[in-house]
Amino acid sequence: AQSVAQPEDQVNVAEGNPLTVKCTYSVSGNPYLFWYVQYPNRGLQFLLKYITGDNLVKGSYGFEAEFNKSQTSFHLKKPSALVSDSALYFCAVRDEGYQKVTFGTGTKLQVIP
Amino acid sequence: IAGITQAPTSQILAAGRRMTLRCTQDMRHNAMYWYRQDLGLGLRLIHYSNTAGTTGKGEVPDGYSVSRANTDDFPLTLASAVPSQTSVYFCASSDHAGGPVREQFFGPGTRLTVL
Repeated sequence: AQSVAQPEDQVNVAEGNPLTVKCTYSVSGNPYLFWYVQYPNRGLQFLLKYITGDNLVKGSYGFEAEFNKSQTSFHLKKPSALVSDSALYFCAVRDEGYQKVTFGTGTKLQVIP
Repeated sequence: IAGITQAPTSQILAAGRRMTLRCTQDMRHNAMYWYRQDLGLGLRLIHYSNTAGTTGKGEVPDGYSVSRANTDDFPLTLASAVPSQTSVYFCASSDHAGGPVREQFFGPGTRLTVL
């Protein structure tokens, strides 16, 4: 079985400050990890993914995520938050031996001007 | 390029009625998915199709059916709608041709209310 947890329903950060959105996962094999963003009344958009290799993955809009195998985490980060980053963020995981992707419950990011 | 289109955008439906949500993609992706999004529950997979002619059950398939007659279309049917099927429904697709781990592309969603 595979699962993913986003422990924070909402994260508030001031514009210009660094942001972190947390994600932890559980798989039986090697994980494939994804981050998606959802703006109001829109579908999800892909941000970045970890398959293998470098633990620091860079994605769209200046976002990056760090894969930590020992802590089973894949936190999303950005050095300097923008008001336009305010959205709902979803972490997702797929076990290498499993076809389907499991999504987290989402974290609402609010960037305060 | 439109990507993925869904119709209708929103719908209010009486309980017991039959409803088909339409999904079409123009990216020639082989895999397609239907999710429902509910507050506090995130996205849950209803049904999926790895290639035209095949379908599979996801996490919450009861009360829903799908078909995949061709690559582009993946309709979702509620045979007899119930209020618990009130949700936002997203169709997605991905291309497995380049390897097994590809991101998904999502449609704009259909907001369904069952009264």
